[in-house]
Amino acid sequence: QVQLVQSGAEVKKPGASVKVSCKASGYTFTSYGISWVRQAPGQGLEWMGWISAYNGNTNYAQKLQGRVTMTTDTSTSTAYMELRSLRSDDTAVYYCASWAPLGPGGWFDPWGQGTLVTVSS
Amino acid sequence: QSVLTQPPSASGTPGQRVTISCSGSSSNIGSNYVYWYQQLPGTAPKLLIYRNNQRPSGVPDRFSGSKSGTSASLAISGLRSEDEADYYCAAWDDSLSGSWVFGGGTKLTVL
Repeated sequence: QVQLVQSGAEVKKPGASVKVSCKASGYTFTSYGISWVRQAPGQGLEWMGWISAYNGNTNYAQKLQGRVTMTTDTSTSTAYMELRSLRSDDTAVYYCASWAPLGPGGWFDPWGQGTLVTVSS
Repeated sequence: QSVLTQPPSASGTPGQRVTISCSGSSSNIGSNYVYWYQQLPGTAPKLLIYRNNQRPSGVPDRFSGSKSGTSASLAISGLRSEDEADYYCAAWDDSLSGSWVFGGGTKLTVL
C-alpha cells in the first residue's frame, strides 16, 4: 500500500540544523509531489512547502524562505526537508505528505507518521 | 493567524448532525478547491474530503463537503464518538505564488 515513513525524533540546540527524511513506497515516486507540514505543540497545521519529485521544482512558505531546503533522492524514493538556524518556535511535529496531482487540484494523501523536532538549549 | 478561518470548537451528541465552517477569500477558496483533513488524537492528519465534496474510498458517507463563494462547510451526520477529532480545511492560494493555506482547525467534541 502507499506509505510514507519518516525518520525518528530529533533534539537540536538553537542555531543548529535538522534534516528529516520521508521514504515513500507503494507508488511511482516521481509521479507525485511531496509537501511538508508542521504542527507546533497544541497548535494547528502550517504548510511549509512542496517539492516535485518529477523535476525537483520547489516552492517554500514565505516565512521560511532562506532557512528551509527540500530535496528528493529518486534512487531511494526518499524526500528530505532541512531546516537551518533553528529557534525554539521551530519545535513541532513535522509531517510529509504525498501530493497528487501536482497543482491546485491535488491533495495530500497519505501522510507520514510525523517527526518530532525539539529545539532546546 | 491562519489565512482560512474556522471556529475553534464544535460539539454534538451521538446521532446529531454538525457542520464546521471555513471562510477564506477570492484568492483561495473563491477560486480553488477546498480540502478537509481529520486528525484523530495523537495521529497524523488524514484526507477526509477532496475537491470540495469528494470522499476518498473508505470515508463514510456521513461526511460531506460543500463550497459556496469564498466559504466552505464540512457536515457530519449521524455523529459517532469516534468522530471526535480536529478538522482542518485547506486550499491553494493564488496570491502566494502557488502556496497552500490551512484553517486554524476545529476541535469536535462528541458529548
